[in-house]
Amino acid sequence: GAVVSQHPSWVICKSGTSVKIECRSLDFQATTMFWYRQFPKQSLMLMATSNEGSKATYEQGVEKDKFLINHASLTLSTLTVTSAHPEDSSFYICSADAGTVEETQYFGPGTRLLVL
Amino acid sequence: GENVEQHPSTLSVQEGDSAVIKCTYSDSASNYFPWYKQELGKRPQLIIDIRSNVGEKKDQRIAVTLNKTAKHFSLHITETQPEDSAVYFCAASSTGNQFYFGTGTSLTVIP
Repeated sequence: GAVVSQHPSWVICKSGTSVKIECRSLDFQATTMFWYRQFPKQSLMLMATSNEGSKATYEQGVEKDKFLINHASLTLSTLTVTSAHPEDSSFYICSADAGTVEETQYFGPGTRLLVL
Repeated sequence: GENVEQHPSTLSVQEGDSAVIKCTYSDSASNYFPWYKQELGKRPQLIIDIRSNVGEKKDQRIAVTLNKTAKHFSLHITETQPEDSAVYFCAASSTGNQFYFGTGTSLTVIP
């Protein structure tokens, strides 16, 4: 149980375009989802906390107008990188809180974004 | 906010030896401490976790200890095997809130 999927798994785009990444909890409902960014050989940096039906909470230094997050249902959160630039190239990983006592977060497989 | 530090950043051990990774945290409100293993290009996988009301937890070759007073917790892997080679992340969280991750430890087990 507790499977989280992400789509697409990788994407290459031209500078200036927008890219949407989907995060889905497949067998449970996730009231809260988290979006992380990971550069090569570095840790996961929390970008924002996404709550179903409300606005996302962004971490300090993360541009909310550039990284648009929508949590439309209990099983889907989307991250849109608007007007992507080469410095936005990274590994984006979402996680979902299953809402159990254990408070475990289950991670998606990640989306590798390369902006040319 | 929470600040999690992790040491060492890289660790090499001979197969069969033990490996220890240490983390410290800053927020005394943190009460949940998971450890994740991440293989190259893959998602982090939870391997063990501990809550603030427990000092130690063990699962086969993996154990985690927590010192709330000193605000540090450690991961212990005994009888290491080549398949234990990966990057390990500690994290800290307070109830219902987001996880803050350490900087990661790249563990290499030499056959």
